[in-house]
Amino acid sequence: NAGVTQTPKFQVLKTGQSMTLQCAQDMNHEYMSWYRQDPGMGLRLIHYSVGAGITDQGEVPNGYNVSRSTTEDFPLRLLSAAPSQTSVYFCASSSPAGLGADTQYFGPGTRLTVL
Amino acid sequence: QQQVKQSPQSLIVQKGGISIINCAYENTAFDYFPWYQQFPGKGPALLIAIRPDVSEKKEGRFTISFNKSAKQFSLHIMDSQPGDSATYFCAASVGGGSNYKLTFGKGTLLTVNP
Repeated sequence: NAGVTQTPKFQVLKTGQSMTLQCAQDMNHEYMSWYRQDPGMGLRLIHYSVGAGITDQGEVPNGYNVSRSTTEDFPLRLLSAAPSQTSVYFCASSSPAGLGADTQYFGPGTRLTVL
Repeated sequence: QQQVKQSPQSLIVQKGGISIINCAYENTAFDYFPWYQQFPGKGPALLIAIRPDVSEKKEGRFTISFNKSAKQFSLHIMDSQPGDSATYFCAASVGGGSNYKLTFGKGTLLTVNP
């Protein structure tokens, strides 16, 4: 299993540009989430999904869109990039507790810089 | 409003010593408390987790102590090793199985000197 994969690893955007951060998992996990990590801020939840076709907002959703058309993929879209979106983005996946798997597995991250 | 407060921000420990990181939470509905370890350039990885029906959980050199009445939990790393040098995050979630919706502390950078 590859686990959780994210592409690209690094990206530089100009203010106003749009882009999609890709996330895929091959563990057949129902749950997927996007977090951003900023220095001294820990990780903050952007959006999450509890299954294909179901998404909801987290703590810091503004400026981001998500969709979940398949179990495996959970892309994060930046509609009009702003310098405040410069961050490291992590995708994570997990199964519901009670199935013996509480662990939320994180991908390697995408480091995004917006100029 | 920061729902999970973590301290200290950084910690330096000698090899063989005990590392202690503390977290306090405000939301009494939290019922799942994991600790994550993150090495530079990598994603966080689950280290150990606890639910509030127990006061302590031990896995190897890592122990979580949980105090429900004080709304605090801590990570103890016994016999700390240079390879333990990393950033540690506490987290919490509501609803038992809601491990997809974690609230994280701000992290502690642990340095273990040889």
